[in-house]
Amino acid sequence: DSGVTQTPKHLITATGQRVTLRCSPRSGDLSVYWYQQSLDQGLQFLIQYYNGEERAKGNILERFSAQQFPDLHSELNLSSLELGDSALYFCASSVTEYNEQFFGPGTRLTVL
Amino acid sequence: QQQVKQSPQSLIVQKGGISIINCAYENTAFDYFPWYQQFPGKGPALLIAIRPDVSEKKEGRFTISFNKSAKQFSLHIMDSQPGDSATYFCAASNDNYGQNFVFGPGTRLSVLP
Repeated sequence: DSGVTQTPKHLITATGQRVTLRCSPRSGDLSVYWYQQSLDQGLQFLIQYYNGEERAKGNILERFSAQQFPDLHSELNLSSLELGDSALYFCASSVTEYNEQFFGPGTRLTVL
Repeated sequence: QQQVKQSPQSLIVQKGGISIINCAYENTAFDYFPWYQQFPGKGPALLIAIRPDVSEKKEGRFTISFNKSAKQFSLHIMDSQPGDSATYFCAASNDNYGQNFVFGPGTRLSVLP
């Protein structure tokens, strides 16, 4: 157990809908990262936050957004969902921006 | 230039054998190269990592070999065990970007008993 928690574990929704994925980092970790893992794209970095501020963006679609709250938990919002958004979404956290990342168990999103 | 290539896509090894997974990168600014291990239904977990100032790093049965001039690095698993069966990802990053990894596509390792 990495100490990073993600909810929900599974999410099934329909195209066009909006969902929110939640991540609680390890105690003391200030940096949170979001990744998407799909069969055809592998593990893709989406976005990083550090102590509430956006630090870096990767291959994140405009339909997706994220934020990190004062208590350091983070949420990833996915809107106007498409079939191709079906994937595992992982959150990771690290103490600072330059330390080892610990991954959560992931949220499996299925868009029907 | 941000891509990390990884091979093979899948690997079958007998128990006790050596598993070798190779990665190559283009961006010479990368300065941190971790390997992650992922079991089904779990998130990736850091296995071992190396920086370009050394050519090899060993932790138990796991060794990273790094060739800076060739821009290649590899993971060697000695005395492979069935419990090592997992998907392995190499990655690369640069401290100036924070640890925003570029991951290889993964290698599915199966160790036969």
